[in-house]
Amino acid sequence: DQQVKQNSPSLSVQEGRISILNCDYTNSMFDYFLWYKKYPAEGPTFLISISSIKDKNEDGRFTVFLNKSAKHLSLHIVPSQPGDSAVYFCAASAESGTYKYIFGTGTRLKVLA
Amino acid sequence: DAGITQSPRHKVTETGTPVTLRCHQTENHRYMYWYRQDPGHGLRLIHYSYGVKDTDKGEVSDGYSVSRSKTEDFLLTLESATSSQTSVYFCAISRGSRDEQYFGPGTRLTVT
Repeated sequence: DQQVKQNSPSLSVQEGRISILNCDYTNSMFDYFLWYKKYPAEGPTFLISISSIKDKNEDGRFTVFLNKSAKHLSLHIVPSQPGDSAVYFCAASAESGTYKYIFGTGTRLKVLA
Repeated sequence: DAGITQSPRHKVTETGTPVTLRCHQTENHRYMYWYRQDPGHGLRLIHYSYGVKDTDKGEVSDGYSVSRSKTEDFLLTLESATSSQTSVYFCAISRGSRDEQYFGPGTRLTVT
């Protein structure tokens, strides 16, 4: 039972354009969400977070949108750069959750120069 | 960068042998975690610790045990390694249970 789903295993985008990575969740108790970026042979690095009391959070080129009614969040990268090519994971947490953060399966982003 | 190291970085072992992976942090963070990453599964929590000698199970804890005798060290032991435990193992740390986690570089374990 995958509580956090990233249905697109891969995405290719031209340099300078917008990258949109999607994440869906099934547990309505999730109230805090994180995005991580992972390069090959390295550990994931934290990108941006959002609490359920917000519907948007922005940090430089990265913006996360949360649609609670649809149980959907998305990460927008504008403009996309070749260095953004990596695997992106979303993760969700519930205040009463047992396992802290549940991670999605990841989306591999390739930014084409 | 958060001060997290993992050792060894690569290991090949035989089925049935015990294996211990080490995570060491220099950040004095309270929470430490062990995850495994497998294709099609993302990152799955094995065990976590919320303080010295305080540990709890994650979603895929069968076949694994952990110990934390010092704030800075969190050990993951595979009591009798199986081929299904071939994976990349990541350690992570955080200040609080809901805070963002900082990950180590990973250990690639192959069980033959």
